[in-house]
Amino acid sequence: LAKTTQPISMDSYEGQEVNITCSHNNIATNDYITWYQQFPSQGPRFIIQGYKTKVTNEVASLFIPADRKSSTLSLPRVSLSDTAVYYCLVGDGGNQGGKLIFGQGTELSVKP
Amino acid sequence: GAVVSQHPSRVICKSGTSVKIECRSLDFQATTMFWYRQFPKQSLMLMATSNEGSKATYEQGVEKDKFLINHASLTLSTLTVTSAHPEDSSFYICSAMGGPSGSGELFFGEGSRLTVL
Repeated sequence: LAKTTQPISMDSYEGQEVNITCSHNNIATNDYITWYQQFPSQGPRFIIQGYKTKVTNEVASLFIPADRKSSTLSLPRVSLSDTAVYYCLVGDGGNQGGKLIFGQGTELSVKP
Repeated sequence: GAVVSQHPSRVICKSGTSVKIECRSLDFQATTMFWYRQFPKQSLMLMATSNEGSKATYEQGVEKDKFLINHASLTLSTLTVTSAHPEDSSFYICSAMGGPSGSGELFFGEGSRLTVL
């Protein structure tokens, strides 16, 4: 399972775009990149998943360069409720049956 | 959407007692579930992989006799913390892969906070 590296913390203000970058130099060919959000005393919640290039859904975008050694989660116009810990995980999900190893995550603090 | 539910959400027990935490996949079958432990201000640490109908696979450093895992059906896995001590106080989270459409998405439970006095 590929190891991931993220900034420990980030600060932002309401209405700004936030980009969190994750490094995964040892990503394997079959690995997908998945981001989760976790609020205090709750289980992680799925945000977005991608394999290459760009993926967008109703809450975020995920940018993955051609070499796939990093990825960037983009949160448009954050609000106070986006204050949470964001985890980047890499794995091939299906073949590993969902076994994912969590890194340290990025604690995002959104200020008014 | 698919939901994974844990019970209880909070439990307080005396040192030396055993505590059972349940993890249920509510609208899909999960042959594999995962148990994590999370201490304050730390990331989730994978404890074990729970396999329906067979023995759980524990991560290195996790005591299998201390943390008993049973996956008796396709919708239920249980984690029993035996002879709990204050250092076992933590947030325990389960996850399951699946969903009605077999999407392969991983769903997490709400977590169970254990406090051992």
